Amino acid sequence: DAKTTQPPSMDCAEGRAANLPCNHSTISGNEYVYWYRQIHSQGPQYIIHGLKNNETNEMASLIITEDRKSSTLILPHATLRDTAVYYCIVRVAGSGGSNYKLTFGKGTLLTVNP
Amino acid sequence: NAGVTQTPKFQVLKTGQSMTLQCAQDMNHEYMSWYRQDPGMGLRLIHYSVGAGITDQGEVPNGYNVSRSTTEDFPLRLLSAAPSQTSVYFCASSQGYHGYTFGSGTRLTVV
Repeated sequence: DAKTTQPPSMDCAEGRAANLPCNHSTISGNEYVYWYRQIHSQGPQYIIHGLKNNETNEMASLIITEDRKSSTLILPHATLRDTAVYYCIVRVAGSGGSNYKLTFGKGTLLTVNP
Repeated sequence: NAGVTQTPKFQVLKTGQSMTLQCAQDMNHEYMSWYRQDPGMGLRLIHYSVGAGITDQGEVPNGYNVSRSTTEDFPLRLLSAAPSQTSVYFCASSQGYHGYTFGSGTRLTVV
């Protein structure tokens, strides 16, 4: 799996958009970008994933650059409950063996301030 | 639809004791895995399975055994607990390109 680089921490004001960057310059053509978050002491939670097109769901938006070497997770209106560690992971999506394996880095601690 | 259920939520063991951490999913997911998370660190993969009867080692498999006799269940066995195995253990499942679903974790202390 390609390695990812994320800032160790970020702050955001409540109600503002939180933009979390991720660099994955060695990503392969068949690797997806996945985002997860882990709120203190809880199990990680899947947020969103994408291959090359921008994606949006009820939780967040994912913007992937045209060259796919970086991406940004956007929480449009951050709340205090969005304070968590956010993990950016790249992996080959699909069934079979090591395709399923996720390697977690240290992620970005997002602190939403009132 | 309960998702991924882990039991117990908390456990204290004495050094040398054995125990089994239970993990069950009701989503008919092909893939299941076990991670451990130590304070201030990311998650590390212990073992994983891509289907009933198929298991493989992850990054930190020593001291742990797994088996997958059914699609639903993926228990993690600690053969002889050591203080270094004090950690929070998470079970996860997935299917295809979908994201992982994680359990709520088992907090294990070995004294």
